[in-house]
Amino acid sequence: EVQLLESGGGLVQPGGSLRLSCAASGFTLSNYAMSWVRQAPGKGLEWVSGISGSGGSTYYADSVKGRFTISRDNSKKTLYLQLNSLRAEDTAVYYCAKETLVMVVAGTKLDYWGQGTLVTVSS
Amino acid sequence: QSVLTQPPSASGTPGQRVTISCSGSSSNIGSNTVNWYQQLPGTAPKLLIYSDNQRPSGVPDRFSGSKSGTSASLAISGLQSEDEADYYCATWDDSLNGRVFGGGTKLTVL
Repeated sequence: EVQLLESGGGLVQPGGSLRLSCAASGFTLSNYAMSWVRQAPGKGLEWVSGISGSGGSTYYADSVKGRFTISRDNSKKTLYLQLNSLRAEDTAVYYCAKETLVMVVAGTKLDYWGQGTLVTVSS
Repeated sequence: QSVLTQPPSASGTPGQRVTISCSGSSSNIGSNTVNWYQQLPGTAPKLLIYSDNQRPSGVPDRFSGSKSGTSASLAISGLQSEDEADYYCATWDDSLNGRVFGGGTKLTVL
């Protein structure tokens, strides 16, 4: 059974940093690209970042480019998202999700999602 | 402001058929397949429809998807109370080189 378990969320001050983790089980992580999707309180879904199965290719939404960094450690079966220079508008539940191909490309889909971890940016 | 446009709300009575629209452009829906996600209250999103009109295993055939040009639609027939949820369309945008979502549609079963 595929399982994705996010952790690392919490309260952080504006300008601060946080690292989110997503522990994967039930499938071979290196065979699949992964993505992070966030949802601000009471708002819709926003794709944040994606990474290929090997970690060699990364993709970011313009809203986080230069501030967030996605990475993975396939040996530890874990996906990461480093959040720097955080702003109030980054407050959201962050979900990790499994892609259906090894690359993040058009035509793929997010077939499994974790339960999310809440990041709150406030002074 | 989402790249894909959905109506914020939709409603229907049990047994009815409802449709939810998703409008985009040539750089996204017009050139890539569309997926739909269902988010029940307080839960993570779940893949409902992929590649415009395909259902993952376990999704009832009451749910169907279609696409024409730069618009897509999700249809739910035989509406049930457990269908009350938020529904999101999504696709790839060639100009943004990233995945994009619609703003979501809250479906209420009256």
